Amino acid sequence: GEDVEQSLFLSVREGDSSVINCTYTDSSSTYLYWYKQEPGAGLQLLTYIFSNMDMKQDQRLTVLLNKKDKHLSLRIADTQTGDSAIYFCAEMQGSSNTGKLIFGQGTTLQVKP
Amino acid sequence: GAGVSQTPSNKVTEKGKYVELRCDPISGHTALYWYRQSLGQGPEFLIYFQGTGAADDSGLPNDRFFAVRPEGSVSTLKIQRTERGDSAVYLCASSLNPQGTEAFFGQGTRLTVV
Repeated sequence: GEDVEQSLFLSVREGDSSVINCTYTDSSSTYLYWYKQEPGAGLQLLTYIFSNMDMKQDQRLTVLLNKKDKHLSLRIADTQTGDSAIYFCAEMQGSSNTGKLIFGQGTTLQVKP
Repeated sequence: GAGVSQTPSNKVTEKGKYVELRCDPISGHTALYWYRQSLGQGPEFLIYFQGTGAADDSGLPNDRFFAVRPEGSVSTLKIQRTERGDSAVYLCASSLNPQGTEAFFGQGTRLTVV
């Protein structure tokens, strides 16, 4: 079935690293994504990783993919108060050639000064 | 425009009324998607257009929901006989390539049915 799961809440102190985790069920997923949503705003594409990669780094963001365990994580280094938002993990299924995304429920990241 | 534009940003309607929600994708993007996001949930896929045609409408919840993209650019999501359960944020996204590898979202339309 189609299922993407995330923990609902994470609280960190400014300057610490944040790690947001996600699990998915479709082993044929081609791409996996992280989106950020600030209050009252749409979704901002942060980064994505192709399923044949196991790591991708982009400035303060590091994505790790464990395809065997179907586990995806997003690490934010030196977390800032501006990083406070909801983070959504999403998968693009390999069986779909339409780009349809399956999203998790979102993880609320709270950054304390 | 520079990004995906959705209008209106907020819509309040009475139960039973008809509503139209508009999406202007990024210029040149051939793929267009509609998603619905209920409170506290992630977005759920509704429909995908490639050009003018609806290539995948498997996410539309029932026949009260319909979407068009007559000229392959602007899209309109239409909801007939609205119900309170239709209240949600309706998000539109567009992508340059048909596989939608990088999909960019608009700000959404918050629909409230009273």
